[in-house]
Amino acid sequence: GAGVSQSPSNKVTEKGKDVELRCDPISGHTALYWYRQSLGQGLEFLIYFQGNSAPDKSGLPSDRFSAERTGGSVSTLTIQRTQQEDSAVYLCASSFGGLSYNEQFFGPGTRLTVL
Amino acid sequence: DQQVKQNSPSLSVQEGRISILNCDYTNSMFDYFLWYKKYPAEGPTFLISISSIKDKNEDGRFTVFLNKSAKHLSLHIVPSQPGDSAVYFCAASARRNAGNMLTFGGGTRLMVKP
Repeated sequence: GAGVSQSPSNKVTEKGKDVELRCDPISGHTALYWYRQSLGQGLEFLIYFQGNSAPDKSGLPSDRFSAERTGGSVSTLTIQRTQQEDSAVYLCASSFGGLSYNEQFFGPGTRLTVL
Repeated sequence: DQQVKQNSPSLSVQEGRISILNCDYTNSMFDYFLWYKKYPAEGPTFLISISSIKDKNEDGRFTVFLNKSAKHLSLHIVPSQPGDSAVYFCAASARRNAGNMLTFGGGTRLMVKP
């Protein structure tokens, strides 16, 4: 079956512009996560969606970052007024969610470069 | 404050030998640990996990050991194969965290030489 997909795979933008990154989770997965990996760093949690509940935004680094998930499926991560330090690979993951531990399946990521 | 640390950024091993990747954590609330493998231009893929009620979990060539008192876990790959060359991330989660968000280490790049 199809895995987690993300688009675009690469995005180059100028400082100050807004960008939107898209994630299509695995069908049937109720939990969706956004992480980012800056150069030479591990993955950093950004935001988490579970079903129709309010998202956990505790990992968002600033109010320039926002995300939404429409219809409990596709998610969009928006970065407003991008800065050079936003350059990173943005990874989306999905899982079955719930209270038990379920492995998260990752997409290939979007490499964002802010010039 | 890095709650999950992988102190070795890289490791080089000869094919057929054992690879040992290490991970340390500081948060005593973590009770579930995972290892992910990542190839360039791909997302991380789940490899193996262990619950804090266990001290060892084995899956084929891969074994994860957990030492709770030392807050340390390790991944053993034996025998190592060239196809194992990738970046390995250790991750941890806490049951109190209903979202099961993962806290990742910085990764260790494993190179298996033929």
